[in-house]
Amino acid sequence: EDQVTQSPEALRLQEGESSSLNCSYTVSGLRGLFWYRQDPGKGPEFLFTLYSAGEEKEKERLKATLTKKESFLHITAPKPEDSATYLCAVRAGTASKLTFGTGTRLQVTL
Amino acid sequence: KAGVTQTPRYLIKTRGQQVTLSCSPISGHRSVSWYQQTPGQGLQFLFEYFSETQRNKGNFPGRFSGRQFSNSRSEMNVSTLELGDSALYLCASSLEPSGTDTQYFGPGTRLTVL
Repeated sequence: EDQVTQSPEALRLQEGESSSLNCSYTVSGLRGLFWYRQDPGKGPEFLFTLYSAGEEKEKERLKATLTKKESFLHITAPKPEDSATYLCAVRAGTASKLTFGTGTRLQVTL
Repeated sequence: KAGVTQTPRYLIKTRGQQVTLSCSPISGHRSVSWYQQTPGQGLQFLFEYFSETQRNKGNFPGRFSGRQFSNSRSEMNVSTLELGDSALYLCASSLEPSGTDTQYFGPGTRLTVL
């Protein structure tokens, strides 16, 4: 069974204090690893897709990386508007469903 | 391009009733998936539809069902509601049900069962 574990569960940063969120996965035949951002009461917003180990993608203050066992979401010089829950999901084998981790709640304060 | 839309946004029902939720995918997207999100279990896959056919189903009881129409719009139905069905129900659409296509989510329908 596919498993996705995210850490930490919650993270509080000061504005400008860079950090990383972790997503470790156990799947058979990874087809893609997806990062989403979710604000309270809203649906997940797509951020990145990574397909193979060594791949990296960047968007503004966010950078996602992928190894054979885990993915990291690096947040550089975060701002309060980056506060949200960040979700990691995998798609594996022939299935098209996404298996999600439980997310990391990020709070960025002034 | 308009995103995924879901109606209604909020629903309050009582135990034993049934409910129907609607999802309109992004224009051109033909695959629709449904997820249930609760504080305790997180996001869990319910089912996926493509070309009006259910392709995959998650580990949920038969009270949860769905369908897809020829215009790719989808509905899900929950019969004999239980308190534990209270959740945010999310619809996601993608171009095709392939392993590499990105799923884009709607805002969700918040269902409260009293």
